[in-house]
Amino acid sequence: NAGVTQTPKFQVLKTGQSMTLQCAQDMNHEYMSWYRQDPGMGLRLIHYSVGAGITDQGEVPNGYNVSRSTTEDFPLRLLSAAPSQTSVYFCASSYSVDSGGASTDTQYFGPGTRLTVL
Amino acid sequence: SQKIEQNSEALNIQEGKTATLTCNYTNYSPAYLQWYRQDPGRGPVFLLLIRENEKEKRKERLKVTFDTTLKQSLFHITASQPADSATYLCALDIGTNAGKSTFGDGTTLTVKP
Repeated sequence: NAGVTQTPKFQVLKTGQSMTLQCAQDMNHEYMSWYRQDPGMGLRLIHYSVGAGITDQGEVPNGYNVSRSTTEDFPLRLLSAAPSQTSVYFCASSYSVDSGGASTDTQYFGPGTRLTVL
Repeated sequence: SQKIEQNSEALNIQEGKTATLTCNYTNYSPAYLQWYRQDPGRGPVFLLLIRENEKEKRKERLKVTFDTTLKQSLFHITASQPADSATYLCALDIGTNAGKSTFGDGTTLTVKP
């Protein structure tokens, strides 16, 4: 399994440009999420999805759109890039299964996309 | 909203000692709490998960405790090694949906030989 893959690894945009960050997972996980991480800080949730066709907003959704047409893919769209969106973006997938009566929820993260907006 | 504080930005210890990292939270109690390791330039890697009804969880040299009265989790690495040097993140989930975690800012651990 490739796990969670993200493309591109690096991207430089000019203010006002739009782009899509790609995320794919091959583990058949129900849940997928997008986080951003700013220097010296933890991850903040942008959007998440509990299954194909279902998405919801996280803590910092403004300026971003998502869609989930398949279980495998969860792209993140920047509509009009701003310098405040300079960050490292991580995609994650997770599952919730019953194991002897106890569910297990574990997130698997991709390698990240480092985005700079000038 | 949930607020999470990890005890310090940086922790330096000598090889062989036990590292103890702290995660404190406010507001509502999470259904479970997770600890992740993050190396520079990489995504977080899951280490341990502990539920609200569990006091302690172990995995090899790692131990996590969860005190819902104090609203605190402690993460211990025993017999620490330089290879344990990394940033450690705690994350809380209220349990309604997987993948909707609130993360702390992390503690960077440096283990000196």
